[in-house]
Amino acid sequence: KAGVTQTPRYLIKTRGQQVTLSCSPISGHRSVSWYQQTPGQGLQFLFEYFSETQRNKGNFPGRFSGRQFSNSRSEMNVSTLELGDSALYLCASSWGQGNEQFFGPGTRLTVL
Amino acid sequence: ILNVEQSPQSLHVQEGDSTNFTCSFPSSNFYALHWYRWETAKSPEALFVMTLNGDEKKKGRISATLNTKEGYSYLYIKGSQPEDSATYLCAFTTGNQFYFGTGTSLTVIP
Repeated sequence: KAGVTQTPRYLIKTRGQQVTLSCSPISGHRSVSWYQQTPGQGLQFLFEYFSETQRNKGNFPGRFSGRQFSNSRSEMNVSTLELGDSALYLCASSWGQGNEQFFGPGTRLTVL
Repeated sequence: ILNVEQSPQSLHVQEGDSTNFTCSFPSSNFYALHWYRWETAKSPEALFVMTLNGDEKKKGRISATLNTKEGYSYLYIKGSQPEDSATYLCAFTTGNQFYFGTGTSLTVIP
C-alpha cells in the first residue's frame, strides 16, 4: 500500500510570496492533518480535514489555510510568507479522529 | 493549548544499555496516547497507540505503559542498539486533535 506523499519536498521562497503544499493520503484515509515543525519545537498542529471539511484548527494566523478535495488529497497554502514560516511541514493521514496517524516525508520550506 | 512534556530532552546511552523516557500529559479529556519514532531524514512512524489506563504494549525490545489518572506514559527500550537512535515523540489526543511533545532524542553509542 502506498504511503503518504507530499510535494514538493523542498521549497525556497522569499518574504511576501505565497506557497502551496500538497499531500496525498493513504488510499481510504479520509482524515488529513497538517503540522509545522521548527527547531526546538514539537509538531505544532495547523488543521485537520475530513471529507473536504475543516474539522479542527490550530493556533495559527489566517495566512495559513488549507483545503481537501473529494479524493482526500489536501493542500495547504501560506500567503505573505514571513521568515518565521521557515519550517518542516508534515501531513499525516488516518482513518479518523484520534486514530493512528501515518506521516508523509514532509516539505522543507525556506523563506529568505 | 494543552501541554505535553517529554523528558529527558536528549539521551546518550551505550549499546546494550536499557533506557526509558517519560511523557506527561493532561489527565482530563483523555482519548489516546500515541508514541512515534522519528529517524533522521524519515517520516515519524507510529510505535504504540494506548487508550486504557494501565495499558502496557510491547514491540520487540520496546515497551510502553500508560497511567491516565496521573497523566504519564513511559517508553522503555531494553538492550539499546545503534538502530534505536531516533527521536521518540509522544502525542496526546482528546479525539479531536493531537498535541505533540518536543520529543526525546536518543543516541545509542556502539
